[in-house]
Amino acid sequence: GAGVSQSPSNKVTEKGKDVELRCDPISGHTALYWYRQSLGQGLEFLIYFQGNSAPDKSGLPSDRFSAERTGGSVSTLTIQRTQQEDSAVYLCASRSFNEQFFGPGTRLTVL
Amino acid sequence: GEDVEQSLFLSVREGDSSVINCTYTDSSSTYLYWYKQEPGAGLQLLTYIFSNMDMKQDQRLTVLLNKKDKHLSLRIADTQTGDSAIYFCAEESGGYQKVTFGTGTKLQVIP
Repeated sequence: GAGVSQSPSNKVTEKGKDVELRCDPISGHTALYWYRQSLGQGLEFLIYFQGNSAPDKSGLPSDRFSAERTGGSVSTLTIQRTQQEDSAVYLCASRSFNEQFFGPGTRLTVL
Repeated sequence: GEDVEQSLFLSVREGDSSVINCTYTDSSSTYLYWYKQEPGAGLQLLTYIFSNMDMKQDQRLTVLLNKKDKHLSLRIADTQTGDSAIYFCAEESGGYQKVTFGTGTKLQVIP
């Protein structure tokens, strides 16, 4: 079956613009995670959705970052007024039992 | 909060054993994971261990857990050039499914 997909694969934007990153999880997976991977850094937890529960937003670095998950499936990560330090690979993962399945990521470059 | 630490780099010769170490801070961790990220590829689960276990072996992989010291290690026997990748340690908070990743250890295998 299809894995986790993310779009776009690459996004170049100008400082101050808003961007939306999309994640399509594996069908039936109720848990969905967003992470950020910067050059030379590990995976930084951003936000976690589990079913209909309130999301864990504790990793969002600022109020410019927000995420939604509609209908328990597709998720969108929005970054408003992008800054150069937002440049990174944004990874989405959905989960089945004890395994997270990662998407290929969206590489965001803020000029 | 949760914190997971790893050394950034490890170099071994082909055929030798590799040992990648990880320390974590959350005493309520239930599961600890090892993920592998090959160049240009997404993260994939290698193995995981439940927190009430000391050791888990899976073919060339051996995971050791010292819960008292909050120390996790991954041993790869007979390391091959195909094992060159970044290895991420991750811990899951008790009953919560929030997964925190370490910085990743880049393993270089010298032929």
